[in-house]
Amino acid sequence: RKEVEQDPGPFNVPEGATVAFNCTYSNSASQSFFWYRQDCRKEPKLLMSVYSSGNEDGRFTAQLNRASQYISLLIRDSKLSDSATYLCVVSAGGTSYGKLTFGQGTILTVHP
Amino acid sequence: DADVTQTPRNRITKTGKRIMLECSQTKGHDRMYWYRQDPGLGLRLIYYSFDVKDINKGEISDGYSVSRQAQAKFSLSLESAIPNQTALYFCATSDPTGDPTQYFGPGTRLLVL
Repeated sequence: RKEVEQDPGPFNVPEGATVAFNCTYSNSASQSFFWYRQDCRKEPKLLMSVYSSGNEDGRFTAQLNRASQYISLLIRDSKLSDSATYLCVVSAGGTSYGKLTFGQGTILTVHP
Repeated sequence: DADVTQTPRNRITKTGKRIMLECSQTKGHDRMYWYRQDPGLGLRLIYYSFDVKDINKGEISDGYSVSRQAQAKFSLSLESAIPNQTALYFCATSDPTGDPTQYFGPGTRLLVL
């Protein structure tokens, strides 16, 4: 089983739609959680961190359920510019702190 | 100027050749990482270094070696390239204090024929 699993998609949605991505992780010692965004053939960039209480950044909402080892990302009012691959990322604690484990990514295409 | 740079950006080589990919950063971070990305597999960690004297194997280190020449420089070598090492390679850095966010270079596209 992969340490971090995502539905690879692709998700094809119209502008203005709401879309949700899910991710599960297997290491219960994981301490930090993130969503990264990767545009085609470019480097990944941090989209947002994910906190236990849930957090929001504009149109983006991230949720974490530690009991179920589940992370989600909700994008509201999708824009064409949201088209990208979204990577679920997990960091363990202890001596592994700082090492990130990436999911395989979920591809989103927003069309007019 | 970019904080994390990689050279070359694209490289075509032949099976059996030795090649080196270089990474430099101006962020002042102690931690540096090398990943490869293959379609459908996401990013996989090859090697990482938490400071100049520290080198650690990642998930897929076989066939690769690294050198941390300075805080700002971390090189990845393929001693004898093989076709299944064809991939997109990323270098990344992070600050050891607090925030584990990693900052990536633009990537190197490697094709091994």
